[in-house]
Amino acid sequence: QSVLTQPPSVSAAPGQKVTISCSGSSSNIGTNYVAWYHHLPGTAPKLLIYDNNKRPSGIPDRFSGSKSGTSATLGITGLQTGDEADYYCGTWDNSLNTVVFGGGTKLTVL
Amino acid sequence: QLQLQESGPGLVKPSETLSLICTVSGGSISSTTYYWGWIRQPPGKGLEWIGSIYYSGSIYYNPSLKSRATTSVDTSKNLFSLKLRSVTAADTAVYYCARHVGVTLQYVDNWGQGTLVSVSS
Repeated sequence: QSVLTQPPSVSAAPGQKVTISCSGSSSNIGTNYVAWYHHLPGTAPKLLIYDNNKRPSGIPDRFSGSKSGTSATLGITGLQTGDEADYYCGTWDNSLNTVVFGGGTKLTVL
Repeated sequence: QLQLQESGPGLVKPSETLSLICTVSGGSISSTTYYWGWIRQPPGKGLEWIGSIYYSGSIYYNPSLKSRATTSVDTSKNLFSLKLRSVTAADTAVYYCARHVGVTLQYVDNWGQGTLVSVSS
């Protein structure tokens, strides 16, 4: 069972918007920055969002991140079939002294 | 462009030691900005952080694996390694090496492709 809680799956139609939530606690999300990763099985995960809401170079502005209290959210607008993947949130947990990840959310673009 | 490449046996017998190396190219492992770490993903499950090391030898470990894991760095060869002792079937996973940004391991900005390690007799 993951320390951070994500919905197992989300889906939306091409062109639409989807949000993926990541719920934690005061010892992780409540205190530290959150990152989001895109992962296709068999490939290297890719950083999408860091420091809650910053995008690395090369990541389109269709991807956005936000944080409020002990929860974080990844938003994806203008969905494309190529966005189908697993998405993970991650941060540091001050109580466990570990890097922690969510269980992952599978995005389906219908 | 930074590249990380994992290498090591794809099959390990139960109770033996899993050994992996991550070779870093396109950047120096001695950079003061980064930690170098290991993350795994068991089949059908999520990501699990194993541990991370700074070029000078400072190390963080996941407490749940600390008793069995050892990570080390070789700055002369620009690589770092992982040893996981007394493995069981539960250690079967895709193992990724990764570069963490920040001394608080804020996020991973580069990942290896991953290598599948199966534990089986």
